[in-house]
Amino acid sequence: DGGITQSPKYLFRKEGQNVTLSCEQNLNHDAMYWYRQDPGQGLRLIYYSQIVNDFQKGDIAEGYSVSREKKESFPLTVTSAQKNPTAFYLCASESASQYGYTFGSGTRLTVV
Amino acid sequence: EDKVVQSPLSLVVHEGDTVTLNCSYEVTNFRSLLWYKQEKKAPTFLFMLTSSGIEKKSGRLSSILDKKELFSILNITATQTGDSAVYLCAVGPRSGAGSYQLTFGKGTKLSVIP
Repeated sequence: DGGITQSPKYLFRKEGQNVTLSCEQNLNHDAMYWYRQDPGQGLRLIYYSQIVNDFQKGDIAEGYSVSREKKESFPLTVTSAQKNPTAFYLCASESASQYGYTFGSGTRLTVV
Repeated sequence: EDKVVQSPLSLVVHEGDTVTLNCSYEVTNFRSLLWYKQEKKAPTFLFMLTSSGIEKKSGRLSSILDKKELFSILNITATQTGDSAVYLCAVGPRSGAGSYQLTFGKGTKLSVIP
């Protein structure tokens, strides 16, 4: 079955460490997105990519980095520069031929 | 700046009640409004609305869009405990975006108690 897989589901990080969240899709979708979700804040856009080897910053890109070396994969690195990284992270993809997103199941990152 | 405002932010009802969730928006280049249900993790798609005044319906859930007044409502009749979730409203495309980006509201947390 086609879908988006995010891993890991839960991640703990010590302050000062970089961590990478995985997002893989087999839907052949062109655009991929990373959102952060905090209680009461809704979904805020971190980065997005419309094609391979190209990506743009969203509203809250500081302290994060991404890559898009393959169409299927859009990993997100949370760097030590991110001041408050504890949150729920959602990856989504979107086909060029239809509207709306398909979401992954999310990664809950906790800084300890 | 595009804006999507949902109300109420949270709601507690008893099983069997009917609820109405609201979503108002201000966007530069509106094409569609989407509703998602988020129970634990991944939001799941409910409806996409593009035309004003046409109701979309799926079982006990229905939604309608008013493009003149810039809002949408999501109705749930005969609520069940399984309807407990965060309901997200999103509008796209986002101003200045090259792809079809969505702007999300903060969500309405619905709790249905037996």
